[in-house]
Amino acid sequence: QVQLQESGPGLVKPSETLSLTCAVSGYSISSGYYWGWIRQPPGKGLEWIGNIHHSGSTYYNPSLKSRVTISVDTSKNQVSLKLTSVTAADTAVYYCARCGGRNSSFGPWGQGTLVTVSS
Amino acid sequence: EIVLTQSPGTLSLSPGERATLSCRASQSVTSSYLAWYQQKPGQAPRLLIYGASSRATGIPDRFSGSGSGTDFTLTISRLEPEDFAVYYCQQYGSSSITFGQGTRLEIK
Repeated sequence: QVQLQESGPGLVKPSETLSLTCAVSGYSISSGYYWGWIRQPPGKGLEWIGNIHHSGSTYYNPSLKSRVTISVDTSKNQVSLKLTSVTAADTAVYYCARCGGRNSSFGPWGQGTLVTVSS
Repeated sequence: EIVLTQSPGTLSLSPGERATLSCRASQSVTSSYLAWYQQKPGQAPRLLIYGASSRATGIPDRFSGSGSGTDFTLTISRLEPEDFAVYYCQQYGSSSITFGQGTRLEIK
């Protein structure tokens, strides 16, 4: 059974870089699929951030593309997210999820991790 | 990008009733690449439907999806107490994935 677990700092200062990791268990990332990041501001809806293939190919939300980097470490079986120059608007629960393809539905999802941007 | 508009914003029904949730796209969704998710408080979303009408693994058959082009529907045939949650649609037919704003299904 595939399980995903996000981790990283819960508090980031404005203008700094948000860095999160998604550890995947029960499935080898190298075996296939895409892996995505999605975020959800408190009390609001879902926003797609980007997807990555185990080969390293990435696809980003155009609205975030200039600030986002998603990478994969197959030796650790994990996916990482970096978001630069954060502001309060980046405060959200950040989820990682398996994606059926370059553009596809997401499932399963990690439990999510809340990141607050504040000084 | 394709904008998805869900209606109604809130739907108040009783257990045993039928729920019909709508998702309308600002332009045609390629190949019916539309999914539905259920989210309960404090939990991650759960995939219910993909490809507009295919149920994900383990999803009860009271959940069904339909539609094509710009109009899609999620139907829950007989509401169970555990079905009261927020539902999101998602399109993945364009290069930029987008979600609807959600419909809250609450107990009447």
